[in-house]
Amino acid sequence: NAGVTQTPKFQVLKTGQSMTLQCAQDMNHEYMSWYRQDPGMGLRLIHYSVGAGITDQGEVPNGYNVSRSTTEDFPLRLLSAAPSQTSVYFCASRSASGDKETQYFGPGTRLLVL
Amino acid sequence: AQSVTQLDSQVPVFEEAPVELRCNYSSSVSVYLFWYVQYPNQGLQLLLKYLSGSTLVKGINGFEAEFNKSQTSFHLRKPSVHISDTAEYFCAVSRGTSYGKLTFGQGTILTVHP
Repeated sequence: NAGVTQTPKFQVLKTGQSMTLQCAQDMNHEYMSWYRQDPGMGLRLIHYSVGAGITDQGEVPNGYNVSRSTTEDFPLRLLSAAPSQTSVYFCASRSASGDKETQYFGPGTRLLVL
Repeated sequence: AQSVTQLDSQVPVFEEAPVELRCNYSSSVSVYLFWYVQYPNQGLQLLLKYLSGSTLVKGINGFEAEFNKSQTSFHLRKPSVHISDTAEYFCAVSRGTSYGKLTFGQGTILTVHP
């Protein structure tokens, strides 16, 4: 199993550009989440999904969109990038049964918005 | 809503010395508690978790943590650290019905000196 994969690893954007951060998992996990990590603030939840077709907002959703058309994929879209979105983004997944409380994190995407 | 406070942003320690990383939480309902470790330029890895039962929880790499409900704390300890333990450590909480949504502390950077 590859676990949770994220692409790209690094990205530089100009203000106003749009892009999609990709996240995929091959563990058949129902729950998936996006977090952003900023120095001194830990990780904050952006959006999450409890299954295909179901998404909801987290703590810091403004400026981001998500969709979940399949169990495996959970892309994060920045519609119009702003310097405040410079951050490291982590995708995570978790099973709804079995070992329910262990989340698996991807390696992260480092985004710089100029 | 719940919150997590990690009381030390940085902890320097010498190799083979003991270490304690402090974490306090607040919540109006019962929570699950976690410690994650992040090595430089990597994703997050679960060290240990408390769901219920014994308040002393043992994790990977020789770490352990003790859940103290009266003091709402979940401090992480290791009796003898190694250079390889140098990393950032995050305390996190979730509610049992929160679909795996985690609330993180600000992080503690542990630096082990030779």
